[in-house]
Amino acid sequence: EPEVTQTPSHQVTQMGQEVILRCVPISNHLYFYWYRQILGQKVEFLVSFYNNEISEKSEIFDDQFSVERPDGSNFTLKIRSTKLEDSAMYFCASQRGPPNTGELFFGEGSRLTVL
Amino acid sequence: AQTVTQSQPEMSVQEAETVTLSCTYDTSESDYYLFWYKQPPSRQMILVIRQEAYKQQNATENRFSVNFQKAAKSFSLKISDSQLGDAAMYFCAYRRSNAGGTSYGKLTFGQGTILTVHP
Repeated sequence: EPEVTQTPSHQVTQMGQEVILRCVPISNHLYFYWYRQILGQKVEFLVSFYNNEISEKSEIFDDQFSVERPDGSNFTLKIRSTKLEDSAMYFCASQRGPPNTGELFFGEGSRLTVL
Repeated sequence: AQTVTQSQPEMSVQEAETVTLSCTYDTSESDYYLFWYKQPPSRQMILVIRQEAYKQQNATENRFSVNFQKAAKSFSLKISDSQLGDAAMYFCAYRRSNAGGTSYGKLTFGQGTILTVHP
């Protein structure tokens, strides 16, 4: 069964360093998302991506964050200069597309620890 | 803004028994979707069941069913004949019906409920 895969599963980084989290969505999916979950808090929407551009982003997704789909298969989330508060589990999700009830498929998550 | 609240951080159930997980939400919209997602330990979230707000009939998927009370803004999940494999974190989630074009996957999640199943 097709799955969304994420790498790395866990990354530890120093504050101020750049981090790239990678996701391979399901191959025939058209819509891509990043969510994050700070320990003990809710899963929060970060950004949605369709047709090679951001379609919506939350207030969390500031200039330190960027996403791209460089090669038609990977979908990456870059944090330019990590802060302590960026420590969280980051989930990638993909979706085949409309109709409205299209199911989201999530990856297992990448745990980011910023020291 | 929409909010989703799961007031039960943890629940437990005996194998083969029935358990109900609670979820309430707040929205000013009349048409939307509600979901229950299951996240086993160290595994990805998977969709358990979904409900369209315009449908009065409660959704069911095998042993999983919901009690959707639109006026009360309540969306509980009932798991019948609980199995050890049902042990997981369960998330309730909301999505607007008209998601503004392309954000068909922008979900608002509750805090989650950890379900333990005792043999």
